[in-house]
Amino acid sequence: QSALTQPPSASGSLGQSVTISCTGTSSDVGGYNYVSWYQQHPGKAPKLIIYEVSKWPSGVPDRFSGSKSGNTASLTVSGLQAEDEADYYCSSHAGIKYVFGTGTKVTVL
Amino acid sequence: DVQLVESGGGLVQPGGSLRLSCAASGFTFSASWMTWVRQAPGKGLEWVANIKQDGSEKYFMDSVKGRFTISRDNAKKSLYLQMNSLRVEDTAIYYCARNNLPFAFDRWGQGTMVTVSS
Repeated sequence: QSALTQPPSASGSLGQSVTISCTGTSSDVGGYNYVSWYQQHPGKAPKLIIYEVSKWPSGVPDRFSGSKSGNTASLTVSGLQAEDEADYYCSSHAGIKYVFGTGTKVTVL
Repeated sequence: DVQLVESGGGLVQPGGSLRLSCAASGFTFSASWMTWVRQAPGKGLEWVANIKQDGSEKYFMDSVKGRFTISRDNAKKSLYLQMNSLRVEDTAIYYCARNNLPFAFDRWGQGTMVTVSS
């Protein structure tokens, strides 16, 4: 199972928005509405921020939003804040397994 | 408060074995699928294995099949990962994670580092 493809980096200014893509295949992203997104700060464990493509876990601000079209899912972070600077990973259910994305480092300018 | 605490990591030679543990608290452990995810130094996340609530279903990534075993003890609220025939490429931080939302990992431990080196 190959990793989902994400851009290595993305950036945006404080208060602006940034969108990260996550491209897979019809066997993972395109085949299930079970895409989730994780935020990871340096030296910390990942944190779930989006599940089932566009749903928010309790406590996650709605500045984070998710969507999907075909084999590509997207995460948008609106109203960028300094604490949003982190690595972001997508993940998709793929039958009996899971696959993660390659990760995107978001820089807040 | 939900807590997952991993232990058992360390330095091991190639071909060696290690058993990781994850102690759970603050939620009904027996009601949750549980998962191991790893992250090699400076690299991305990689799903390793997961196990159903009663242990009746277990799934593994291809590169660890036949070498790693996942198990759980619901009475002790603990998850385990037995790793045999370890390879240099198994070097990573190993996280245990809970699946309490559909096909998502909603809580993570702090991780335990496994280093495979001679």
